[in-house]
Amino acid sequence: AQSVAQPEDQVNVAEGNPLTVKCTYSVSGNPYLFWYVQYPNRGLQFLLKYITGDNLVKGSYGFEAEFNKSQTSFHLKKPSALVSDSALYFCAVRGPTSGTYKYIFGTGTRLKVLA
Amino acid sequence: DAGVIQSPRHEVTEMGQEVTLRCKPISGHDYLFWYRQTMMRGLELLIYFNNNVPIDDSGMPEDRFSAKMPNASFSTLKIQPSEPRDSAVYFCASSSVGNTIYFGEGSWLTVV
Repeated sequence: AQSVAQPEDQVNVAEGNPLTVKCTYSVSGNPYLFWYVQYPNRGLQFLLKYITGDNLVKGSYGFEAEFNKSQTSFHLKKPSALVSDSALYFCAVRGPTSGTYKYIFGTGTRLKVLA
Repeated sequence: DAGVIQSPRHEVTEMGQEVTLRCKPISGHDYLFWYRQTMMRGLELLIYFNNNVPIDDSGMPEDRFSAKMPNASFSTLKIQPSEPRDSAVYFCASSSVGNTIYFGEGSWLTVV
């Protein structure tokens, strides 16, 4: 069965510093991986995805993520954090197996960027 | 594009009442998902449809919950009778085959 883990409930980072939000996954075959962001009282917004190709994926708002197959990880990164990046971040996985389109989400990581 | 549209945005109802949540997916998307978000359980997949047909409803918590998709542009999630533990945010999302899923703004349900 597919699963995704976000080991940190919260990440604190100073404004201007680089940030990393961790995600590891488990799925049969090659995964489809996604990152979403949720601001208070809003729905989830798509940031970026990895399906195939370059292991470094660039997305919205200056975010990027690195797919590491050997470590089964897909960590979200940003070179310089902004206070406005403070939000809840979700990693999601979807197996490539034909016939299943279940997108499974992690428990979320709250990012707090301190001014 | 208008995105995924959900209604109502907020609902407060009394225990035992029927609740109906509505969703209009993005035009052209053939997959529709219902998720529930709570502090305790995070984001749970309740059910998803492909071409209006329910494919996996293993996440539906119990028989009080039902979901339908009568056509490609409309889906409902119904709770009857509602209980306080059903209080949560219910999200509808849609996608086309193999692609990114897009979420609505959610329906905030409070059962008192």
